[in-house]
Amino acid sequence: DGGITQSPKYLFRKEGQNVTLSCEQNLNHDAMYWYRQDPGQGLRLIYYSQIVNDFQKGDIAEGYSVSREKKESFPLTVTSAQKNPTAFYLCASSISINTDTQYFGPGTRLTVL
Amino acid sequence: QQQVKQSPQSLIVQKGGISIINCAYENTAFDYFPWYQQFPGKGPALLIAIRPDVSEKKEGRFTISFNKSAKQFSLHIMDSQPGDSATYFCAARGGRNRDDKIIFGKGTRLHILP
Repeated sequence: DGGITQSPKYLFRKEGQNVTLSCEQNLNHDAMYWYRQDPGQGLRLIYYSQIVNDFQKGDIAEGYSVSREKKESFPLTVTSAQKNPTAFYLCASSISINTDTQYFGPGTRLTVL
Repeated sequence: QQQVKQSPQSLIVQKGGISIINCAYENTAFDYFPWYQQFPGKGPALLIAIRPDVSEKKEGRFTISFNKSAKQFSLHIMDSQPGDSATYFCAARGGRNRDDKIIFGKGTRLHILP
């Protein structure tokens, strides 16, 4: 099956700890994205990557970091510097940064205890 | 100018009725307007999309109406069914550079009464 997988589905962390969310795609897409979803806030872009070894900050990058060492993988680290990390995190990909349709993964719900 | 304003925030419709969700934008450079559907605990999925060279696009029970002069577009769900209950996001994209980001509305939570 082709698609985007995110793991884990639910994640709990203690305040002050860093945590890494996984995103893998086997669609051979060049571009990948991370969004944060909060109730009533829509989708806000955290980071995006046009191609391997390249990434840019989105609208709310503070307290987050990413890497893109492989085309199929785009992990997101939520650091202790992120003041309100509890949210639903969505990974997406598209054929290229210039194509319109984005395909989303199933999401990871992060809860900080 | 980069915002997409979506309304209503929530909507309750009787089964068989028409659900209507509206969006407005300011940036006249936008040239791609998709609608995404999201079920609880899942990621959004592209439902239907339109470009400003047409005023309407229909796919099954879902129709996008586009008013370029008013800078508004809307999603109509005909014969709404309980299975349509989900959160719907409008979005817009386009600009001088094709790598401009997609801008999402804040979402509408739709509930269809059985």
